[in-house]
Amino acid sequence: GAVVSQHPSRVICKSGTSVKIECRSLDFQATTMFWYRQFPKKSLMLMATSNEGSKATYEQGVEKDKFLINHASLTLSTLTVTSAHPEDSSFYICSARPPGGQTQYFGPGTRLLVL
Amino acid sequence: AQSVTQLDSQVPVFEEAPVELRCNYSSSVSVYLFWYVQYPNQGLQLLLKYLSGSTLVKGINGFEAEFNKSQTSFHLRKPSVHISDTAEYFCAVSGAPRAVRGAQKLVFGQGTRLTINP
Repeated sequence: GAVVSQHPSRVICKSGTSVKIECRSLDFQATTMFWYRQFPKKSLMLMATSNEGSKATYEQGVEKDKFLINHASLTLSTLTVTSAHPEDSSFYICSARPPGGQTQYFGPGTRLLVL
Repeated sequence: AQSVTQLDSQVPVFEEAPVELRCNYSSSVSVYLFWYVQYPNQGLQLLLKYLSGSTLVKGINGFEAEFNKSQTSFHLRKPSVHISDTAEYFCAVSGAPRAVRGAQKLVFGQGTRLTINP
């Protein structure tokens, strides 16, 4: 149980284009999902907390207009990197937390490369 | 706010030897503690967690950890490691439910790379 998927697993795009990453909880409902960014050989940095049916809460220093988050249903959250630039290249990981639960379950990650 | 320190960035161990990965935390509120493992180019998999109750927690793949409140530690141990345990290990902390808003976010340590040598 507690499986989280991400799509795509890796994506290469041209500078200036937008990329959408999907995060789905497959066998449980998640009122709260989280988006993290991980640089090579580094720890995870929380970007934003996504709550179903409401606006996401962004961490300090994360541009909300650049990283658009939508949590349209209890099993799906999306992260859209708008007007991507090479410095946005990174490993993006989502997690989901069941209602009332204390544990976050992580997706397999999406590797983004912006050329 | 919470913080986590993983004292060792890299730990090389011979196969079948015991291992301990150290984790210390700081928090002004009650905490939940977690250990996650990350294999190359993959997401994080939950190894074990401490929410309440017994301070000795057993997880998957033969790992266990002990919550020590007085020393604010949550070290991860395995009595005999295998080649397949080679991975990055992350300790994480979050505030307990009655903590102030925002304290329930997961805060990660910097990670410890465990390398198993034959």
